[in-house]
Amino acid sequence: EIVMTQSPATLSVSPGERATLSCRASQSVSSNLAWYQQKPGQAPRILIHGALTRATGIPARFSGSASGTEFTLTISSLQSEDFAVYYCQQYTDWPLTFGGGTKVEIK
Amino acid sequence: EVQLVESGGGLVQPGGSLRLSCAASGFTFSTYAMTWVRQTPGKGLEWVSAISGSGDGTFYADSVKGRFTISRDTSKNTLYLQMNSLRVDDTAVYYCAKGRQYYFGSGVGDYYCMDVWGQGTTVTVSS
Repeated sequence: EIVMTQSPATLSVSPGERATLSCRASQSVSSNLAWYQQKPGQAPRILIHGALTRATGIPARFSGSASGTEFTLTISSLQSEDFAVYYCQQYTDWPLTFGGGTKVEIK
Repeated sequence: EVQLVESGGGLVQPGGSLRLSCAASGFTFSTYAMTWVRQTPGKGLEWVSAISGSGDGTFYADSVKGRFTISRDTSKNTLYLQMNSLRVDDTAVYYCAKGRQYYFGSGVGDYYCMDVWGQGTTVTVSS
């Protein structure tokens, strides 16, 4: 099983600041990596697929990058609506696996 | 608009059964891979099961293998999850989600990321 490890567990950021979230895979997942945002009481929403590609309708302040088995989600300037929990997921092999999540909270 | 609507959740005793449904609209349901993902209150996301776009392939997490069955009825644009021998630790919100496709040569492949999610249905297993 491919283990996805997200860090940090909680990130405290002020509105307008940059947030950098990390996700590490225990083995290669190629570019089969997605990022999701989940707000309280809501279903997750896809932000990034293919490690780098923003999903339809996702603002340009969200960007994904990759280096080997290390993946990063960057939110360039946090807006109030961006405070949420973020998950990464690999879809290169079975079972599909998610990271434990990073909560982005207001500093 | 692409939409997924789950139903069928509820309270069931340990050892009981439930069938979840996910009604799909706004896309060609018969050609897309679909997945079920669950979330325990206050916890993270756990993949449960998936079915390929062609419907020929089904996949299960070890925790549900042999107890849950995923299926689809393309005439009704509906995805199902039959859950038998339910356990207390199956208690969760269950989401269905739509996959993505990629094209190669004359073929179409499945990406098992989840680009549209339903609102979820709650399953509670308790005596």
